[in-house]
Amino acid sequence: EIVMTQSPATLSVSPGERATLSCRASQSVSGNLAWYQQKPGQAPRLLIYGASTRATGIPARFTGSGSETEFTLTISSLQSEDFAVYYCQQYNNWPCSFGQGTNLDIK
Amino acid sequence: EVQLVESGGGLVQPGRSLRLSCTTSGSTFGDYAMSWFRQAPGKGLEWVSFIRSEAFGGTTEYAASVKGRFTISRDDSNTIAYLQMNSLRIEDTAVYYCARMLGWLPDIWGQGTMVTVSS
Repeated sequence: EIVMTQSPATLSVSPGERATLSCRASQSVSGNLAWYQQKPGQAPRLLIYGASTRATGIPARFTGSGSETEFTLTISSLQSEDFAVYYCQQYNNWPCSFGQGTNLDIK
Repeated sequence: EVQLVESGGGLVQPGRSLRLSCTTSGSTFGDYAMSWFRQAPGKGLEWVSFIRSEAFGGTTEYAASVKGRFTISRDDSNTIAYLQMNSLRIEDTAVYYCARMLGWLPDIWGQGTMVTVSS
């Protein structure tokens, strides 16, 4: 199973600033990497797939990049509704696997 | 709009069984694979089970932690996916989510149903 490692575990950022979240795979997942946002008591919401393609309705301030084993989610100009937990997920190999999450909170 | 709604969760004693349902609307259910995921309290996301569409044989996959105890199935005529959970353990306590799958990518998730295994 491919192990996904996210960093940092917690990221404190002020509204209006930029947040950069990282995700590393234990082996290459090509570009088959997704990012999800999860708020308390809610289901995960697909933000990015194919490492860099925004899902339907996702604002342009969310940008995904990377390939193979190193990936980044950048959120420019953080809005209040962006403070949440973010998970990366590889879907290149069976079984799909998730990182442990990055908690993005308000500084 | 595609919607997935889980039901069937609750409090159950260790060793007992529970069946979860995932009712879908707004898309052609039979065209898609479906999966169940779970999230233990305060923890991350874990894939549990997967069922391919009938076009791909309707075959199934399971995480090692549930193999032999859980069974996933689908009823395409009623657009429902099921997760039969037998021999439940305390460590199965979690919110269970169903998701529509594009290959191995879960693109749409239900709101989840809580399963608590406790004596």
